[in-house]
Amino acid sequence: QVQLQESGPGLVKPSQTLSLTCFVSGGSISSGGYYWGWIRQRPGKGLEWIGYSYFSGGTDYNPSLKSRAFISVDASRNQFSLKLSSVTAADTGVFYCARIGEWKYGWYFDLWGRGTLVTVSS
Amino acid sequence: EIVLTQSPGTLSLSPGERVTLSCRASQSVGSNYLAWYQQKPGQAPRLLIYGASNRATGIPDRFSGSGSGTDFTLTISRLEPDDFAVYYCQQSGSSYTFGGGTKVEV
Repeated sequence: QVQLQESGPGLVKPSQTLSLTCFVSGGSISSGGYYWGWIRQRPGKGLEWIGYSYFSGGTDYNPSLKSRAFISVDASRNQFSLKLSSVTAADTGVFYCARIGEWKYGWYFDLWGRGTLVTVSS
Repeated sequence: EIVLTQSPGTLSLSPGERVTLSCRASQSVGSNYLAWYQQKPGQAPRLLIYGASNRATGIPDRFSGSGSGTDFTLTISRLEPDDFAVYYCQQSGSSYTFGGGTKVEV
């Protein structure tokens, strides 16, 4: 079955760019029908949607992060990526990649990676 | 942005009890595009309910969702030991936002 796995540095310095990749296995990202997104969970906080991209382009972002977030899909490698610029300690948290699927009533995060902890610290 | 407020923040219950969790939206959720997720410690969230009242694939029928407009409810008819977790609501009627979560603990 389809699985998602995040990878990337666990430690990023303040003001730098956080870069994470999500590898999709068990299915082709370019088969269509899904959006590919990122969610974060800061310590002691709830879930926060960051943004998503379709395999052929087309993105949307949380307005609160829109100026700093960039999501791209590399269909040839069956993966998608997140870049979050100008990070501060407030960006520390667990980052999840997720598939957004269309169910009969709306679009939902129906498959998630295990998550990766990113700490912003000098 | 639609803000989702979940209550209560924490529920202390015993196996076998009936649970009712609330999710209130700051404005009407279009087409009742509301979901519920379960998250256990150290794990990713799992989709339980979509479209306010539809169980996702493989979800036991002790989980049920209801509501419309701005008020939604997740009910667990009889708590199993595996159900102690944090539950989040999420809307996709206007962009995507999550509620703050309700922790169901022993």
